[in-house]
Amino acid sequence: GAVVSQHPSWVICKSGTSVKIECRSLDFQATTMFWYRQFPKQSLMLMATSNEGSKATYEQGVEKDKFLINHASLTLSTLTVTSAHPEDSSFYICSTGTNTEAFFGQGTRLTVV
Amino acid sequence: DAKTTQPPSMDCAEGRAANLPCNHSTISGNEYVYWYRQIHSQGPQYIIHGLKNNETNEMASLIITEDRKSSTLILPHATLRDTAVYYCIVLSRGGGTSYGKLTFGQGTILTVHP
Repeated sequence: GAVVSQHPSWVICKSGTSVKIECRSLDFQATTMFWYRQFPKQSLMLMATSNEGSKATYEQGVEKDKFLINHASLTLSTLTVTSAHPEDSSFYICSTGTNTEAFFGQGTRLTVV
Repeated sequence: DAKTTQPPSMDCAEGRAANLPCNHSTISGNEYVYWYRQIHSQGPQYIIHGLKNNETNEMASLIITEDRKSSTLILPHATLRDTAVYYCIVLSRGGGTSYGKLTFGQGTILTVHP
């Protein structure tokens, strides 16, 4: 099956800085990728849909200017958390899929101090 | 997509079968039942899916009731490494990569103990 590689697996950054998370589809051309966020002891919540060659679509309540998504190729989508604050500390996960199965990245643990 | 209901937590002894229930009473005819699990601090992992018939693979078995309003995921011989959150998800199978979008409920925390 398709493999999705997410990098980094964890990152610690200072408040006010920006952090970029990469999601790569290793053997699958992903025209669409999805970004989720998961706070401790909670379920995954969809943040946005990343579309190759066009603007991302964001779920209600997710600030598009804070969570910048770029999907410049069929194998790479990036999520940049701009001006990160401690409340942005979370587990971020990307996914893509076919019409039969979804494939998830390993996740990125972001800690903002 | 149909809503699912799962117990918040379950325990299972190592080596015994773990039976995880899921209610999806509003499932429609073209919706599949999918199971994923998430081990702590990892991305979700696909387990199994089905439409009407019972399914089995190397990881688990899926039993779907005849009216399709509920299902049970069976891990035949649970190990400590099966400790995870198990998500039951019901959705239509669409075209292309739109399928990567899933709606997660709270899932069931399965704890396998020695």
